[in-house]
Amino acid sequence: ILNVEQSPQSLHVQEGDSTNFTCSFPSSNFYALHWYRWETAKSPEALFVMTLNGDEKKKGRISATLNTKEGYSYLYIKGSQPEDSATYLCASGTYKYIFGTGTRLKVLA
Amino acid sequence: GAGVSQTPSNKVTEKGKYVELRCDPISGHTALYWYRQSLGQGPEFLIYFQGTGAADDSGLPNDRFFAVRPEGSVSTLKIQRTERGDSAVYLCASSLIQGGGTEAFFGQGTRLTVV
Repeated sequence: ILNVEQSPQSLHVQEGDSTNFTCSFPSSNFYALHWYRWETAKSPEALFVMTLNGDEKKKGRISATLNTKEGYSYLYIKGSQPEDSATYLCASGTYKYIFGTGTRLKVLA
Repeated sequence: GAGVSQTPSNKVTEKGKYVELRCDPISGHTALYWYRQSLGQGPEFLIYFQGTGAADDSGLPNDRFFAVRPEGSVSTLKIQRTERGDSAVYLCASSLIQGGGTEAFFGQGTRLTVV
C-alpha cells in the first residue's frame, strides 16, 4: 500500500447500531496514525494519535486499534447516535500527514 | 484564542486574481501546517512551518502559491493568478511541537471558490 486508504467510503447505520471503519496505510517507515472526526462547517476534531503496534485507545463510545506490521487501523463506534454523523479521516506520517479520503457516516434516528 | 482561527471562512474570487488566506494558530504552538482539500479527496499537505521558517514547502503545487509566518505566529497563504483548479477548502493546523506523534489542531478552513 502506497497511500492511505479508507473503507467504506460512506455508510448509513441506525441509531443504536455499532459500526467500524478501516484505515490502511504503508507499514514501512511508520511513524504515527491519526484519527479525526470532521463535521460539516466545523474544524476536524482529533480523536486519537496512535504510535505503537497493538495500541488500543478509547474515548467514550469510540475506540481504535492499530496494527503497524500489516498497516491497518480500525475505528469502532458503539451504540451509534445521530451526533456521531460526520466524516472520519485517518492520516499517517510525521508532520506531513497523508490523509485518506474519509468515511462518511450517517446515523439515522 | 482557544482554537485555530482561519479567515475568511469563505472566499469567492475571479480567475486571475490574488488572494490571501489567514491562519491564527493556538498561542504557543511552534508548528503550523497548511493543507488543501479538493472535492472528493482527503486533505493534501502544502507546507509546514517550524517557528518562522518554512521547514518543508514540498506540497505547494507551483510558484503561484506562497506562505509566510513572519513572527512565528500568524501565517498567510498567498495565491497569485488564481485558477479554477485552486478551488478547495484550505485547512490550517498547529501543534505544540513538530512530530507525527503530536496532536495537531485544525481550524475550520477557508473555502476558496475561483469563478
